[in-house]
Amino acid sequence: GAVVSQHPSWVICKSGTSVKIECRSLDFQATTMFWYRQFPKQSLMLMATSNEGSKATYEQGVEKDKFLINHASLTLSTLTVTSAHPEDSSFYICSAEPVLAGAYEQYFGPGTRLTVT
Amino acid sequence: QKEVEQDPGPLSVPEGAIVSLNCTYSNSAFQYFMWYRQYSRKGPELLMYTYSSGNKEDGRFTAQVDKSSKYISLFIRDSQPSDSATYLCAMSVDTGNQFYFGTGTSLTVIP
Repeated sequence: GAVVSQHPSWVICKSGTSVKIECRSLDFQATTMFWYRQFPKQSLMLMATSNEGSKATYEQGVEKDKFLINHASLTLSTLTVTSAHPEDSSFYICSAEPVLAGAYEQYFGPGTRLTVT
Repeated sequence: QKEVEQDPGPLSVPEGAIVSLNCTYSNSAFQYFMWYRQYSRKGPELLMYTYSSGNKEDGRFTAQVDKSSKYISLFIRDSQPSDSATYLCAMSVDTGNQFYFGTGTSLTVIP
């Protein structure tokens, strides 16, 4: 149980285009979903926290107009990278916290590798 | 100063060795301590979690938390080549709060 999927797993796009990444909790409902990015040989850096039905909370330094997050249901959150540039190339990982979860319970998706050319 | 410090390694050990992975932290409010394993190009998977101080054992893995020293450890006994991965420590204050991750330690277990 507690499976989180991400789609796509890998995407290449041209500079200036937008890319949408989906994060789904497959067998549980998630009140809160988190979006992280990870550069090579670096740790996960939290980008934003999203709660179902409300606006996402962005970490300092993350442009909310560039990284649009929609948490439309208890099983789906999407991250849209708008007007992508090469510096946005990274590994994006989502995690989901089940309803009534313990503090340690965040289940991670497999990640989406974005390459902007 | 980063919230969580972790030696990135890389660490290379022979099969069967005992591996010790460590993290230090600065925020005394952290109550929950987690260890994740991440294979290349995959999302992290939870290995163990500990609440407050103490030890926790699960098979070949033992997690230790020393809140007085702000120091946590993960021990892997009888290490196997399949244990080769990056190990991330993570900490949080409470449910629904941000996880703070270490940079990860790259481990290779040589057959």
